[in-house]
Amino acid sequence: KNEVEQSPQNLTAQEGEFITINCSYSVGISALHWLQQHPGGGIVSLFMLSSGKKKHGRLIATINIQEKHSSLHITASHPRDSAVYICAVLLDSNYQLIWGAGTKLIIKP
Amino acid sequence: DAGVIQSPRHEVTEMGQEVTLRCKPISGHDYLFWYRQTMMRGLELLIYFNNNVPIDDSGMPEDRFSAKMPNASFSTLKIQPSEPRDSAVYFCASSGTGQANYGYTFGSGTRLTVV
Repeated sequence: KNEVEQSPQNLTAQEGEFITINCSYSVGISALHWLQQHPGGGIVSLFMLSSGKKKHGRLIATINIQEKHSSLHITASHPRDSAVYICAVLLDSNYQLIWGAGTKLIIKP
Repeated sequence: DAGVIQSPRHEVTEMGQEVTLRCKPISGHDYLFWYRQTMMRGLELLIYFNNNVPIDDSGMPEDRFSAKMPNASFSTLKIQPSEPRDSAVYFCASSGTGQANYGYTFGSGTRLTVV
């Protein structure tokens, strides 16, 4: 079993839809990252969470430490949101990241 | 701050040649990480440094790979000799002590093609 599991692996939606990507982990962490990678592009850090909820524009990230679960939401999705979204947890034992497999999101106009 | 700076952005080289990838971390960050991304394996941690000292290089695939961090503002990842299977995107990232506050910042990556 992977230490970080994301779902779904692939998601296709229409422009304007509300998007949710989930991340579950089984290790002790000090923080969780949500990252975005466009095709052929670099990796952009969207959020780093250690508790609660963060919001940036149309993006919202939540984390439940007790349940070891985090969600990334996109409101009013747009084709430019099409990318791979990666959940990564920062181990509390060292400073290494463990990565989820990523969720490939396609937003159709 | 300009963020984590990697160079070159793209590198095409012939098999057997030496390749050197460069990274300048964010000033004040004391951790530096080298990652490799391929379609087959996704993102892999190759090595990371703390205060310029290599801490864990267990992800370095072979002796052909070596990494150095001579000072707090510069690191290199060298492949000698390069092979076609080394073709990948190599990312450098840096972070500061007190991860809950600092977080990771990634460079734009170096796309390496070995022909």
